[in-house]
Amino acid sequence: QQQVRQSPQSLTVWEGETAILNCSYENSAFDYFPWYQQFPGEGPALLIAIRSVSDKKEDGRFTIFFNKREKKLSLHITDSQPGDSATYFCAASLIASSSFSKLVFGQGTSLSVVP
Amino acid sequence: NAGVIQTPRHKVTGKGQEATLWCEPISGHSAVFWYRQTIVQGLEFLTYFRNQAPIDDSGMPKERFSAQMPNQSHSTLKIQSTQPQDSAVYLCASSLVWGLNQDTQYFGPGTRLLVL
Repeated sequence: QQQVRQSPQSLTVWEGETAILNCSYENSAFDYFPWYQQFPGEGPALLIAIRSVSDKKEDGRFTIFFNKREKKLSLHITDSQPGDSATYFCAASLIASSSFSKLVFGQGTSLSVVP
Repeated sequence: NAGVIQTPRHKVTGKGQEATLWCEPISGHSAVFWYRQTIVQGLEFLTYFRNQAPIDDSGMPKERFSAQMPNQSHSTLKIQSTQPQDSAVYLCASSLVWGLNQDTQYFGPGTRLLVL
């Protein structure tokens, strides 16, 4: 059962363009959605996260748009740079609970930014 | 702050041998997680400790895999009688707290295990 799905599997954009990475989830109880960035040979690093009470979260060139009704979110990377080339993982969890809820990860989107 | 430390970074074992992977969480973090990452399965949760106590091991294969956290400064993941399908990157993560509206897991660089 794939609770978190990402698309596309891979994406190539030119330097300066906006990259759009998509994510959808099945469990309507999820309330916390982090995006992780992973470079080859390294562990994932938290890039930006959003709670389900918000519909948008912005941090510099990175913005999450969240649609609770459709259970979809997207990560927009504006003015993409070659250094942004990495794999991006969308994840989900139920954070506002006293019971443990694990982070469920999507399969990732491999982003290449061409100079 | 050195971040989450994992050793060794690479390990090669023969089929049937034992492998022990080590994790040192960020000082002061009460939550420790283990994940396994493969191309096919992606990032899979294995187990979770809170204040050194095992809380959830629902992702651990029932045979051959075990995890411990003997003190607040390190955790181990042990795989007995390793098989080629155990080949993966094993990631450890820690969090100051997890749940009750506290978030952010910090990942280590991982241990790449290759079983021949």
